[in-house]
Amino acid sequence: QKEVEQNSGPLSVPEGAIASLNCTYSDRVSQSFFWYRQYSGKSPELIMSIYSNGDKEDGRFTAQLNKASQYVSLLIRDSQPSDSATYLCAVFGNQFYFGTGTSLTVIP
Amino acid sequence: EAGVVQSPRYKIIEKKQPVAFWCNPISGHNTLYWYLQNLGQGPELLIRYENEEAVDDSQLPKDRFSAERLKGVDSTLKIQPAELGDSAVYLCASSSHRGNLEQFFGPGTRLTVL
Repeated sequence: QKEVEQNSGPLSVPEGAIASLNCTYSDRVSQSFFWYRQYSGKSPELIMSIYSNGDKEDGRFTAQLNKASQYVSLLIRDSQPSDSATYLCAVFGNQFYFGTGTSLTVIP
Repeated sequence: EAGVVQSPRYKIIEKKQPVAFWCNPISGHNTLYWYLQNLGQGPELLIRYENEEAVDDSQLPKDRFSAERLKGVDSTLKIQPAELGDSAVYLCASSSHRGNLEQFFGPGTRLTVL
């Protein structure tokens, strides 16, 4: 079992729709959770972090954390073609682990 | 504010040759990370420094990989000798301090071992 699992996709949504990206993790001591966006050929860039159960909103992005279910998600509202990228989930407990990423395509 | 700087951006070497990568973190960032990323995979942590101390090097293949961060600022990652399977992108990231784990990545070094 991998420490962090993501559906590799590809996930396709029409422009203006909500994109939902999911991530599960195996280490119950994990305390810090991050979402990164990575465009093809580029390095990851931080979208947002979340540390407490519940929702955290930043602009069009909402991160959701449920530690009991060991689940973290990212919602992108009003998806734009520029959101087309791979989204990486990262988890820190005793070590940092990244998922393999979910490829998102926003169709104009 | 300047971002994380890495050099070189690209490196092509033959197997069994040595190679070194350099990273300069964001000014004031005490924590530095080295990752490798294979195509279609997420970054895999090689080593994490808090200032000049390596606090997590459990995933660093120590038979051929070494790293240093002598003055707690810039860092060098070395592979000697390189193997075909080392071809990957090597990413450096930094975060401000132990309590803030939000990492900012450099552009990476793409290594090709022939």
